[in-house]
Formats: sequence, structure tokens, C-alpha cells
Amino acid sequence: AQSVTQLDSHVSVSEGTPVLLRCNYSSSYSPSLFWYVQHPNKGLQLLLKYTSAATLVKGINGFEAEFKKSETSFHLTKPSAHMSDAAEYFCVVRKSGGSNYKLTFGKGTLLTVNP
Amino acid sequence: DTEVTQTPKHLVMGMTNKKSLKCEQHMGHRAMYWYKQKAKKPPELMFVYSYEKLSINESVPSRFSPECPNSSLLNLHLHALQPEDSALYLCASSPTGPGRRGNEQFFGPGTRLTVL
Repeated sequence: AQSVTQLDSHVSVSEGTPVLLRCNYSSSYSPSLFWYVQHPNKGLQLLLKYTSAATLVKGINGFEAEFKKSETSFHLTKPSAHMSDAAEYFCVVRKSGGSNYKLTFGKGTLLTVNP
Repeated sequence: DTEVTQTPKHLVMGMTNKKSLKCEQHMGHRAMYWYKQKAKKPPELMFVYSYEKLSINESVPSRFSPECPNSSLLNLHLHALQPEDSALYLCASSPTGPGRRGNEQFFGPGTRLTVL
């Protein structure tokens, strides 16, 4: 079985300050991990993915995440928040290989960026 | 073309109506998905089509009927829905079979469905 825990349901930062969205996962197998962003009334956009290559993954719009197996974490960071980053962020895990199809979503973290 | 499109963007229907949602991708992806998303919740998987065959039905009520006419198109036929079916319906696609490592899903913008 696999699961994802997003440790904060809501994070609020000021524009220009760093962003940290925390995610812990549980998986019996070597997982694939993803971060998706969803702006209001929009679909989900892939920010970045981890697939057992480099543990530090760079994504779009200046986001990056570090896979830490010992801590079972995959936290999302950005050095400087922009107003356009305000959105819902989902951490997602998927068991790799075989016929597994199912993405397991975290409950989401709402990021608010204050001017 | 690197996107998944969905029509309509918004749909309001009565409980006795029959309507359809449409999803299209021209990325050559061979797996397509329907998700349902309620407000302030993550998406929930409904159906998976792999190589144009229904491979997964997550115990979805029969009032939702998926169809994959070809590798680029995915429909969701709706009939006799209930008000609790009101939600954002998201379509997604992935390059190959859903089990491939790192095989990320590309999502469409969704159809906002309201059932009166």
C-alpha cells in the first residue's frame, strides 16, 4: 500500500520569500513521486517528477524538490514566491512498475502569497 | 500539440437529462483517464482506458458511461445523475500504459458539472 501526507493544509508566505510545502510518503516499493499545481477552476499541471534518477529534481517556474529516502520525504521548495504561485499543490505517489495505474494524491496544500 | 482539451467547460443538467463530456489529446498518448474532483479535495480516479480498452473501472455507478472511440478521444456519457454528482470532471492522458515508471499524467482543464 502507498500513501501520501501533506503536512500543511494551508501555507501563507509573502511575495519574494521562500516557499516550503512538505510531503511525506509511504510506499512498499520504489515509488515515482510527483508534484502537481492547480490554479482556481483549472486542471492540474505537472510541476516536477522523481523517478529514481537525481534526488534533487528541478521543475517549472523555479520549483524544485528533494527526494530523501531516509526521511521518506519529497518537499517542494522555491527560493522566492511570486503572486502567480498562489494555488493548490498536490503531492502524488505512484508505485512503479507492473500494472499499477493508480496515483495516490495527498489532500493538497493551499499556498497563499501576500503582497 | 501538447495539451489535453475538454468540452464543455461548464455544464448544467437536470437529473433526467442525458449529456456527454468530451476529452481530446493529440500527443499520441495511449492511456486516458477520467477523474472526479469535489471542491477542496484531490481528484478521484473513475476510469482508465489503456490502448483504447477499458482497463479500470473504480466501481463507478452505471449512470456514468465512458467511451473511447479512438486513441485521441475519450467521452463520458451522463444519464440520470444526482445532485451529489456535481463536481469538476478531469480528463488526463499518459504516454503509454499506466504502469510505466515515471509515466506522468497530463491533465485537461476540466468540465464543471452542476446537476440540478
